[in-house]
Amino acid sequence: AQSVTQLGSHVSVSEGALVLLRCNYSSSVPPYLFWYVQYPNQGLQLLLKYTTGATLVKGINGFEAEFKKSETSFHLTKPSAHMSDAAEYFCAVSDYGGSQGNLIFGKGTKLSVKP
Amino acid sequence: DGGITQSPKYLFRKEGQNVTLSCEQNLNHDAMYWYRQDPGQGLRLIYYSQIVNDFQKGDIAEGYSVSREKKESFPLTVTSAQKNPTAFYLCASSIEGRGRTEAFFGQGTRLTVV
Repeated sequence: AQSVTQLGSHVSVSEGALVLLRCNYSSSVPPYLFWYVQYPNQGLQLLLKYTTGATLVKGINGFEAEFKKSETSFHLTKPSAHMSDAAEYFCAVSDYGGSQGNLIFGKGTKLSVKP
Repeated sequence: DGGITQSPKYLFRKEGQNVTLSCEQNLNHDAMYWYRQDPGQGLRLIYYSQIVNDFQKGDIAEGYSVSREKKESFPLTVTSAQKNPTAFYLCASSIEGRGRTEAFFGQGTRLTVV
């Protein structure tokens, strides 16, 4: 069965610092992987996705993630944090053939950005 | 613009009442989903539907019911059997439901029991 683990429920960085949000997955088949962002009282918005091909994926708002099969990881990074990046971030893996219908989500990491 | 519309944005329910949350999509997606979100618990799947007139229970279906009579609509009813319904509810859809495509989300409905 597929699963997702996000390390750290809360991450705090200074404005201009590197953002690193960790995601590890478990999948019995080649995974499709996704990162979503959620601002307070809003729905989730897709940041980026990995399906096949290039392992470094670029998304919106300057974020990128690298698929590392050997480490079963899909960490999200941004070189320089901005105040507007403060939000909750969710990693998801495709639930291929499972019981979740489509995607399995991690518990989320709340990112705070200090001025 | 194509997207998912949830209504209302805020909903208040009295004890013992049933309430229905609306979810409509004009993306022509086959699959639709309902999630419940509580602080620190991520997204928990309530129900999902991969095709019209068919739906499956998710992890926390007790106290909820759904219907999928039209491709574009997937309403969720929170019944009086749901003992702790105060939460943020998210509806989503995807082109298909076999794990190969991203989900698109509505803006959510915040339900509060008064």
